[in-house]
Amino acid sequence: AQKITQTQPGMFVQEKEAVTLDCTYDTSDPSYGLFWYKQPSSGEMIFLIYQGSYDQQNATEGRYSLNFQKARKSANLVISASQLGDSAMYFCAMREGLRGGYNKLIFGAGTRLAVHP
Amino acid sequence: GAGVSQSPSNKVTEKGKDVELRCDPISGHTALYWYRQSLGQGLEFLIYFQGNSAPDKSGLPSDRFSAERTGGSVSTLTIQRTQQEDSAVYLCASSYLETGGTTDTQYFGPGTRLTVL
Repeated sequence: AQKITQTQPGMFVQEKEAVTLDCTYDTSDPSYGLFWYKQPSSGEMIFLIYQGSYDQQNATEGRYSLNFQKARKSANLVISASQLGDSAMYFCAMREGLRGGYNKLIFGAGTRLAVHP
Repeated sequence: GAGVSQSPSNKVTEKGKDVELRCDPISGHTALYWYRQSLGQGLEFLIYFQGNSAPDKSGLPSDRFSAERTGGSVSTLTIQRTQQEDSAVYLCASSYLETGGTTDTQYFGPGTRLTVL
């Protein structure tokens, strides 16, 4: 079974509008972390935002916020006031066993976002 | 400071040849990771180093793949007798992982695009 599911292969949004990229995950470990990365056409993976399973509040970083719904096992990325430079591939990733020493990230298939002027 | 660097940025080789891919992590980062990104498989974990030891090699696809890390810094991923299915982008990431720590954000390099003819 897939551990990280991103159901939107492609999304588009009008410049200056907000967009939500979906991510659901599957784990039985109570201790885990969720990450979002951006991959522009240049290929580099850029860290955007992190949410820990024990964090009480949703993470925010500038125009990025994470809508964390633990009971639904979802961690959607919200980008506010979209800019043309936001056009890229976006990956949701999970690290399980934060206290157990497991360190690898498990990635979703990604969502390609296109921002239109 | 400087980010994660990888070399070469592109490598074209013939089937059956050996290749070496290099990763220079962010200075001071204790953990180093190799991932592979291919069209059919998405992003997949290969190996993880803590210092010079590799506690998790579970993602290496075959015994043709090996990696080492020296001086707690530079890492080399070696692929012997390359096959066409090895064609992919090989991404390196590093993080500062404290013993018993939970949050460790992995920062990625630009990747090496390997093409096996």
